[in-house]
Amino acid sequence: ETGVTQTPRHLVMGMTNKKSLKCEQHLGHNAMYWYKQSAKKPLELMFVYNFKEQTENNSVPSRFSPECPNSSHLFLHLHTLQPEDSALYLCASSQGSRGAQGTEAFFGQGTRLTVV
Amino acid sequence: KQEVTQIPAALSVPEGENLVLNCSFTDSAIYNLQWFRQDPGKGLTSLLLIQSSQREQTSGRLNASLDKSSGRSTLYIAASQPGDSATYLCAVGQGAQKLVFGQGTRLTINP
Repeated sequence: ETGVTQTPRHLVMGMTNKKSLKCEQHLGHNAMYWYKQSAKKPLELMFVYNFKEQTENNSVPSRFSPECPNSSHLFLHLHTLQPEDSALYLCASSQGSRGAQGTEAFFGQGTRLTVV
Repeated sequence: KQEVTQIPAALSVPEGENLVLNCSFTDSAIYNLQWFRQDPGKGLTSLLLIQSSQREQTSGRLNASLDKSSGRSTLYIAASQPGDSATYLCAVGQGAQKLVFGQGTRLTINP
């Protein structure tokens, strides 16, 4: 496989459930990201991991909990979500940097999450 | 706070036309600018990346320009085809690993 792969593609969960989204990248990158795309709103950055360290948490509620066990895998653990959390969750990766130069980001196909 | 605006929100043109999509941003202190396309219900496909030191990038029928001082970028699509129909997103690199997105332009190419 190549690129960025997200599973599952679709997820329906109740407000009391616990579920996890998975992202895997086969590009040899060192930075991974979670973005949220809601209807009629721009993509919002949620979390950034750079060389397995979390470098950005964009004021995301604690019911979303990221985990990055290595540079190739990223998880988003979900618990006690609200209906307004229904959205397309996108994972991305890039070369990663300890310097100032930004690098090209590559995205997965997303997980369509519906909270009922 | 960086704000990215894309105009128009939607555009419909006949096949074969050349067209320009616009992106503007409020803070010129960017690392790069990236154009993506998104098909309905799908993820994002990277089209072009322009570093802050560059003025333009080309890939096939696509050409993207960057004027950092005026806070503007354009995506030029030559000889449009029905397969070009998608939403086009502009994102500025704000910080080494942070992208700020516009709301996109929904493009429809009519056969």
